[in-house]
Amino acid sequence: TAGITQAPTSQILAAGRSMTLRCTQDMRHNAMYWYRQDLGLGLRLIHYSNTAGTTGKGEVPDGYSVSRANTDDFPLTLASAVPSQTSVYFCASSDSPGGRFNEQFFGPGTRLTVL
Amino acid sequence: GQNIDQPTEMTATEGAIVQINCTYQTSGFNGLFWYQQHAGEAPTFLSYNVLDGLEEKGRFSSFLSRSKGYSYLLLKELQMKDSASYLCAVMDSNYQLIWGAGTKLIIKP
Repeated sequence: TAGITQAPTSQILAAGRSMTLRCTQDMRHNAMYWYRQDLGLGLRLIHYSNTAGTTGKGEVPDGYSVSRANTDDFPLTLASAVPSQTSVYFCASSDSPGGRFNEQFFGPGTRLTVL
Repeated sequence: GQNIDQPTEMTATEGAIVQINCTYQTSGFNGLFWYQQHAGEAPTFLSYNVLDGLEEKGRFSSFLSRSKGYSYLLLKELQMKDSASYLCAVMDSNYQLIWGAGTKLIIKP
């Protein structure tokens, strides 16, 4: 079973360019999340979606947008990349936003470098 | 503000026992999670505590005291493959996970 896939695995991007990070899950999970992970800091939530058709802002949403047109896909878009967006990005999903079923399953990550 | 504290790095010997502590201050509490993350890989779920006490799962155990805002992860019979970062995360009143920075555990032969 694939679980959660992310693409690309890594990317070098020029500042000012736009980019979409892709995330697909095949577990029919309701909730999906985008995190960034930076050295010395915990995972920080960028955006989330509790169910298809809805999205919400996390701790660090500025400069990022998301959409949730269906259950499986949750793309993250950087409209105009800046060097501070250099990070490792993880997509995750869970069966439900709360309780024990909020065990989150993570994709392999996308390493993004903005120059 | 919301805060999760855990040691940055710990070292232990193969075959020994290690305890990784986590203290938290969050707006609401709906459970505490421990995840393992090997270098260059994604985090994977280890344990979930919502009630006070000890949860045991094989070589790993997790303890929670809600009144003290405190949890620990206990790893027994350490193996070299346990070398990884261990992430503590608390689910707040909005059912979002607040993550600690992680504890890098180094296992020596």
